[in-house]
Amino acid sequence: EDQVTQSPEALRLQEGESSSLNCSYTVSGLRGLFWYRQDPGKGPEFLFTLYSAGEEKEKERLKATLTKKESFLHITAPKPEDSATYLCAVRSSSNSGYALNFGKGTSLLVTP
Amino acid sequence: GAVVSQHPSWVICKSGTSVKIECRSLDFQATTMFWYRQFPKQSLMLMATSNEGSKATYEQGVEKDKFLINHASLTLSTLTVTSAHPEDSSFYICSARNTLNSASYYFGPGTRLTVT
Repeated sequence: EDQVTQSPEALRLQEGESSSLNCSYTVSGLRGLFWYRQDPGKGPEFLFTLYSAGEEKEKERLKATLTKKESFLHITAPKPEDSATYLCAVRSSSNSGYALNFGKGTSLLVTP
Repeated sequence: GAVVSQHPSWVICKSGTSVKIECRSLDFQATTMFWYRQFPKQSLMLMATSNEGSKATYEQGVEKDKFLINHASLTLSTLTVTSAHPEDSSFYICSARNTLNSASYYFGPGTRLTVT
């Protein structure tokens, strides 16, 4: 059974203080690791998809990396508007319906 | 970017009544749609996978007779919560997978259901 574990559960940063969020996964046949941002009361907003170890993707202050066991979401010089819950999800070959299996998320708060 | 809409965005209903939630992919075709529920401060839990023109596949523990799913077209899936009870109160989110780009999953804005 696929497992996705995110850490930390919550993270508080000062504006400009860079950090990383972790997503550890155990799947049989990774078919994609996804990062989403979710604001309170809204649906997840797509950020990145990574497929193979060593792959990296960047978008503004965010950079996602992938190894065979985990993914990191690096946030460089965050701003208060980066405050949100960041969700990691995996798609695997064990799931014939191709649904994404989500971790519990990391709640990020960036203070001025 | 691709857009998925949900209607209604929030609904309050009385215990014992049924509520229908619509999920539409606005600018792409979605052979497969997914329904999730999310309790406060928790992650998304998959309820069922909806395939156009066929029966939905439900996750273990999700009652198919209580949560009726219909995916009648490539752009519309509906979730009907039948005989709703207060414990069904939750945030329901749909996701649509782009038929032409199967690696793309887009999420709706969610529907807040409150059963009184």
